[in-house]
Amino acid sequence: AQSVTQLGSHVSVSEGALVLLRCNYSSSVPPYLFWYVQYPNQGLQLLLKYTSAATLVKGINGFEAEFKKSETSFHLTKPSAHMSDAAEYFCAVNPSAGGTSYGKLTFGQGTILTVHP
Amino acid sequence: NAGVTQTPKFRVLKTGQSMTLLCAQDMNHEYMYWYRQDPGMGLRLIHYSVGEGTTAKGEVPDGYNVSRLKKQNFLLGLESAAPSQTSVYFCASRPQGVFNTIYFGEGSWLTVV
Repeated sequence: AQSVTQLGSHVSVSEGALVLLRCNYSSSVPPYLFWYVQYPNQGLQLLLKYTSAATLVKGINGFEAEFKKSETSFHLTKPSAHMSDAAEYFCAVNPSAGGTSYGKLTFGQGTILTVHP
Repeated sequence: NAGVTQTPKFRVLKTGQSMTLLCAQDMNHEYMYWYRQDPGMGLRLIHYSVGEGTTAKGEVPDGYNVSRLKKQNFLLGLESAAPSQTSVYFCASRPQGVFNTIYFGEGSWLTVV
């Protein structure tokens, strides 16, 4: 079984401030972890993913995330927020091996990021 | 490269009407999935398929049926639409045995009035 919890359904930051979106997961087998971004009325765009290589993963648009097994976390960060970062962000997990999971992706509830000028 | 294509992109239905959402992928993927997205709930799995002719229930299957008669197509049906099925629907696919990549369609916005 697997699950994802995103702490904070809404996060508000000022332009230029640090962005920190929190994601904790549970998984019975080693996980693959993903962050997606969704702009209003658009589809999902992959920001970055952890697939058991480097624990610090760099993605698009200046975002990065660190896999911490001991904390079962995969928090998303960006040093300096830009107005264009305003969107909804989803953390997701699926098992790294098949079994009976069939690669089903489990999503968190989403975090809406607002960036103030 | 078309990837994963969903049709229609937008649809308004009246309560009780039926409709089918089509997901087509041209990557010869074995696994296909239908998700629905609702505010504050992320994406939840409705049904999935691990190959042609197979389907299985996900987290929120009630009120939906699916079929995978052809490997490239995964159809999601609403037999009698309800306002609670107003949502954004996403289809996804991936190759068998590959779990570090998944391909999503662009989404289908469905409103039931």
